[in-house]
Amino acid sequence: RKEVEQDPGPFNVPEGATVAFNCTYSNSASQSFFWYRQDCRKEPKLLMSVYSSGNEDGRFTAQLNRASQYISLLIRDSKLSDSATYLCVVTHNAGNMLTFGGGTRLMVKP
Amino acid sequence: DVKVTQSSRYLVKRTGEKVFLECVQDMDHENMFWYRQDPGLGLRLIYFSYDVKMKEKGDIPEGYSVSREKKERFSLILESASTNQTSMYLCASIPGARADTQYFGPGTRLTVL
Repeated sequence: RKEVEQDPGPFNVPEGATVAFNCTYSNSASQSFFWYRQDCRKEPKLLMSVYSSGNEDGRFTAQLNRASQYISLLIRDSKLSDSATYLCVVTHNAGNMLTFGGGTRLMVKP
Repeated sequence: DVKVTQSSRYLVKRTGEKVFLECVQDMDHENMFWYRQDPGLGLRLIYFSYDVKMKEKGDIPEGYSVSREKKERFSLILESASTNQTSMYLCASIPGARADTQYFGPGTRLTVL
């Protein structure tokens, strides 16, 4: 079983739709959680950290459920520019070593 | 702005060749990482370094070695390239233990024939 699992998608949604991705992790000692975004043929870039209380950044909302060991990303009012692969990332007690999920591909269509 | 650069965007090598992938960062970061990214498998950590001349194995170090002679430069070496090392290679760096500020280079797409 992979340590961090995501549905690879693709998720095809129309502009303006709300879409949500989940990610599950197997290591209960995982400490920090992030969502990265990766555009086609580009490097990953940090989208947002995920805090225990949940957090929002504009149209993006991230949530963490430690009991069930999953994190989620909700995107409201999808834009064409949101089309990308979204990578779920966790760290353990080392703090600076990231474990990546395989990514979920989102395609927003006009 | 943090800048992480990699020596090549695309590279084609033959089986058995020795391959050097170079990564340079200009922000005096202590920690540097080498990943490979393959479809369906995500990013997997090959090696990382937390200081000059220090290195630690990641999840998939077999067939690779690394060198960190200067703080700004972290090299990945394929001693004898094989076709299963065809992949996208990504370098990253962070200052200290700040996982939320990991910066990636643009990647090198290596094809081994």
